[in-house]
Amino acid sequence: QVQLQESGPGLVKPSETLSLTCTVSGASIDSYYWTWIRQPPGKRLEWIGFISYSGAANYNPSLKSRVTISRGTSNNHFTLNLESVTSADTAVYYCARATTSDGDLFDYWGQGILVTVSS
Amino acid sequence: VLTQSPATLSLSPGERAALSCRASQTVTKYLNWYQHRPGQAPRLLIYDASNRATGVPARFSGSGSGTDFTLTISSLEPEDFAVYYCQQRSSWPWTFGQGTIVELK
Repeated sequence: QVQLQESGPGLVKPSETLSLTCTVSGASIDSYYWTWIRQPPGKRLEWIGFISYSGAANYNPSLKSRVTISRGTSNNHFTLNLESVTSADTAVYYCARATTSDGDLFDYWGQGILVTVSS
Repeated sequence: VLTQSPATLSLSPGERAALSCRASQTVTKYLNWYQHRPGQAPRLLIYDASNRATGVPARFSGSGSGTDFTLTISSLEPEDFAVYYCQQRSSWPWTFGQGTIVELK
């Protein structure tokens, strides 16, 4: 059974970098497309981007200048880095697996982690 | 932009639920539905408008094309009370609707 689990700090200061890890079990990140999605309080879900099995990345243009998604060097995990955060980046962050070559269909998700940006 | 209606649906177990998702421009058939129960991971229910994902019960069905789509739950079970989101994969970047809450009446 495929399972994803987000981890990282729940509080980040403004202007700093938000860093999250998604640990995958039951599937190898050497296949598929590994995705981050977020949901700010009271707002809709927002696709952030993905890293493919080959290491190619694709990002939402609204965040592209600040975001990096990368594969872990060991273990079966991938990471999200979001630079220069503001209160607008406060959200529940989800990692998910996407099954298509465009990374647009999400068949497994993590439970999400709330990250608050505040001093 | 995907617009879901109603925002909240108040129903009893055994009743039929019909959730709407309307796109501001055509997404052809590329519309997915997800279920999100509190404290759990979101779950893929329907992909490409009408295809049930693996393990999804037959009481869930999807229909529509172009700009108007419907998720129908034929007879609500207790575990079906949750938030439902639609998502389009026709036009990058992929976007979601704002969600419909199906709550216990």
